[in-house]
Formats: sequence, C-alpha cells, structure tokens
Amino acid sequence: DAGITQSPRHKVTETGTPVTLRCHQTENHRYMYWYRQDPGHGLRLIHYSYGVKDTDKGEVSDGYSVSRSKTEDFLLTLESATSSQTSVYFCAISESEGGSVNQPQHFGDGTRLSIL
Amino acid sequence: AQTVTQSQPEMSVQEAETVTLSCTYDTSESDYYLFWYKQPPSRQMILVIRQEAYKQQNATENRFSVNFQKAAKSFSLKISDSQLGDAAMYFCAYRTYQGGSEKLVFGKGTKLTVNP
Repeated sequence: DAGITQSPRHKVTETGTPVTLRCHQTENHRYMYWYRQDPGHGLRLIHYSYGVKDTDKGEVSDGYSVSRSKTEDFLLTLESATSSQTSVYFCAISESEGGSVNQPQHFGDGTRLSIL
Repeated sequence: AQTVTQSQPEMSVQEAETVTLSCTYDTSESDYYLFWYKQPPSRQMILVIRQEAYKQQNATENRFSVNFQKAAKSFSLKISDSQLGDAAMYFCAYRTYQGGSEKLVFGKGTKLTVNP
C-alpha cells in the first residue's frame, strides 16, 4: 500500500471555525490531490499540487485553500467552515513521468468532517 | 468540459457470474487515460484497472477487463467469476492535461452487490 496518512480521520467542528486537514506521504511522489466525496456526486477535485509551492485549483475550490511547503505534506484549509463543507475528504498521490498522467492515483483512507 | 457518466447507480450479480458496469465520457482531447476504482465499505479507494486512450488493446487484470470503445467514448468494466469481495462502489475516472493543468473527473459511481 502507498504510504499516505491523513489526519485527523474524523473531526466535528462548528460553523465559522477554521479547519486544517493534513496529508502526509512517504513515497516522495510529485503530485498530491485533495478530493471531497458526497453522496450523488462521486469524488470531486478541490485542489492539487504538482510540486513544492506549486498548486492549482480543481472543480470545487471555492472556500478552500492549500499549501505545500515540503514534498511529503499537503494541507487543506477551510478558513471559515460552513455546513456545506461537511463531507469525506480524500487525499491522493501520484507520480508522473515526463508530464504524462498515466500513473494511477493512490488514495489515503479519508477524513470524515462534520460541520455543525 | 469533460464529463464522466455512470448510468447504473446500482447493479447486482450472483456469485460466480459475470457483470458489466458501464461508463461513458465526453471529451475533445485525443490523449487521456481512463481508470476504474473500487471503494468497499472500508472507504478505501483501490485502483482496479487503467486504460491508455492511444492503446487499442483492452486492458485486463485477472478477473477484471475493460471494453474500451474510443469512438463511442465508452469504457465499461467486466467482472468475471464475481466474488463476494467484489461488492463495492465502482468509480470510473478520466484524466488528462489541458491548458497546462491536470484534469481529473470521476463518475458518480455504481454500487455493486454480489449475491451468494
């Protein structure tokens, strides 16, 4: 299994509070991703990173920010959490050779976030 | 914009039988990759199989195979000799580079039940 650790695994918090989710990898892969999974929507990409300090927006980036100060860590921050951000959040990593996207993504075990 | 459609929200199959899960996608790109992921109740996302669009030969991984029809933009997954452990959500995914950014789109999933 790919060495991906998401923390925390579960979190309950209140509307308006800041929340940071962490993804840590031990594979030294270049690409890291944050998804959210909601019933009826499948997985939707929030942000991704293609290197240290290099990030780009995904399909549902509003209300989220990310940071990657080192290869192994990718942080997802909800500056002021809202109930619509209640979801299961997945981190994924992949390697990419020569700019191709043929390498599969490997996923962490997910973080269940509930915002009351 | 790329879209991925899984038209079967739920499917069921008898143990040892064969089942086919459908996936269609919409894209104007010629170079892309397609994946099937499995998500059992444990919530892990597990790569099942992948297909490069430039390859005409259908990918096969043990009991799992795909029927890739590029002109029809169809990418179905066939599971042969179904086992109880195959019960899970299955997600079809599309991946490519466009305009300097990586594009990743998942379908909404098909829930597969395997009956003993």
